[in-house]
Amino acid sequence: DGGITQSPKYLFRKEGQNVTLSCEQNLNHDAMYWYRQDPGQGLRLIYYSQIVNDFQKGDIAEGYSVSREKKESFPLTVTSAQKNPTAFYLCASTTRTGSIDTQYFGPGTRLTVL
Amino acid sequence: GQQVMQIPQYQHVQEGEDFTTYCNSSTTLSNIQWYKQRPGGHPVFLIQLVKSGEVKKQKRLTFQFGEAKKNSSLHITATQTTDVGTYFCAGVWSGGYNKLIFGAGTRLAVHP
Repeated sequence: DGGITQSPKYLFRKEGQNVTLSCEQNLNHDAMYWYRQDPGQGLRLIYYSQIVNDFQKGDIAEGYSVSREKKESFPLTVTSAQKNPTAFYLCASTTRTGSIDTQYFGPGTRLTVL
Repeated sequence: GQQVMQIPQYQHVQEGEDFTTYCNSSTTLSNIQWYKQRPGGHPVFLIQLVKSGEVKKQKRLTFQFGEAKKNSSLHITATQTTDVGTYFCAGVWSGGYNKLIFGAGTRLAVHP
C-alpha cells in the first residue's frame, strides 16, 4: 500500500544461506522499519532507520543486518546466524500528518528456509 | 521492557453481533495506533489516539484511549463479513522515535 514495494512475495532458501529482502518506497518518507511476523503473532521490530546512513536495532536484531544508503531503499539481510528465519517479513515507512504518525506497510515477503 | 498486552486472541461472532478487543500497557503511552490485517495481507493503519480519554469513531468502529493512557479498546458494532481479519494495537512511548510496539492481535471471524 501507499508506494512501498517488497519483492519477491515468496522466497525459498536453503539453510545456511544469506538472503536479502528488498524494500523500496517512493513516498519520500524519512523513517523506515523492518518487522517480522510469525503465525498467529504480532509484529516484532527487527531494525529501523530514521534517516539515510543511520539505523538502530529493534527488539530482535540478532541474525539480521540492514543498510540505508538511499532514502528510498532499506534492504534487510537474513544471515545464516538467524536461528529460525522462516517468517513473514514486513517493511514499513512513516509519515507525519499534523500530529498523526502513520505507518504504511509493504505487501510483505514470506521467507521459507528449507 | 515495554510491551502491549492484547485480548482476546481469537473472537468468533455471528454476523450482526458486536466485537471488542482490548489493549493494555503497564506504563503510560504517548499514543496508541490501531491496524487491521486481512488474511494473507499486510497491516493497514486505522487510527491513532493521542489524548487522554479520547474517543474516535469510524462508521461502525469506535476507538477509545483510557484516561491514564495505559489502555485502549476497539469496538465494532453489528459486525459484517468484511470485518474479518486481525486487529492490532501498537503503542508508542515518549522518546520512542515513533517506534511501535505491537500487541499480539485479535483475530476476528464472522459467521454469516
